[in-house]
Amino acid sequence: NAGVTQTPKFQVLKTGQSMTLQCAQDMNHEYMSWYRQDPGMGLRLIHYSVGAGITDQGEVPNGYNVSRSTTEDFPLRLLSAAPSQTSVYFCASRSRWPNTGELFFGEGSRLTVL
Amino acid sequence: DAKTTQPNSMESNEEEPVHLPCNHSTISGTDYIHWYRQLPSQGPEYVIHGLTSNVNNRMASLAIAEDRKSSTLILHRATLRDAAVYYCILIGKGAQKLVFGQGTRLTINP
Repeated sequence: NAGVTQTPKFQVLKTGQSMTLQCAQDMNHEYMSWYRQDPGMGLRLIHYSVGAGITDQGEVPNGYNVSRSTTEDFPLRLLSAAPSQTSVYFCASRSRWPNTGELFFGEGSRLTVL
Repeated sequence: DAKTTQPNSMESNEEEPVHLPCNHSTISGTDYIHWYRQLPSQGPEYVIHGLTSNVNNRMASLAIAEDRKSSTLILHRATLRDAAVYYCILIGKGAQKLVFGQGTRLTINP
């Protein structure tokens, strides 16, 4: 199994540009989420989804959009990139059943906004 | 969702045991205590989890207080490869908004 796959691994954007970070998992997990991690900081939850067609906001949702059309994919969209969105982004997934399901993380996508 | 509190940093020596504490005073009866670690330039990875009883696996041990308001991740014999940020998080029944704290940055001295 590939687990959680994120693309691209690195991206440089100019202020105002848009882009989509891709996240795919092959474990049939219902729950998927996006985190951002600024240098020297912890993980902050951006958006999450408990199943196809269902998404909700996390701690820091502003400037980001998500959708969940399939169980496997959970893309994160930046509509108009800002330098404050320079960060490393991690996608995670877990099975909600049983309740003990652990979180599986991708390797991260490093985004720089100039 | 219940929150956890961890020290910002800890330091230990190679080949010595390390005890990483986590406080979760508002834990509910159905919350599982999960630990993850993040090695430099990598995504977080699962370490261990438990509900009430102490747990052991190949990576670490988890000691849970009798009142469940705190727990301790134990690395029995630290190596340089254990230097990482360790996160404690509560995941309950039907948990959705999984919020991580700052974690504990563990430094291992040779």
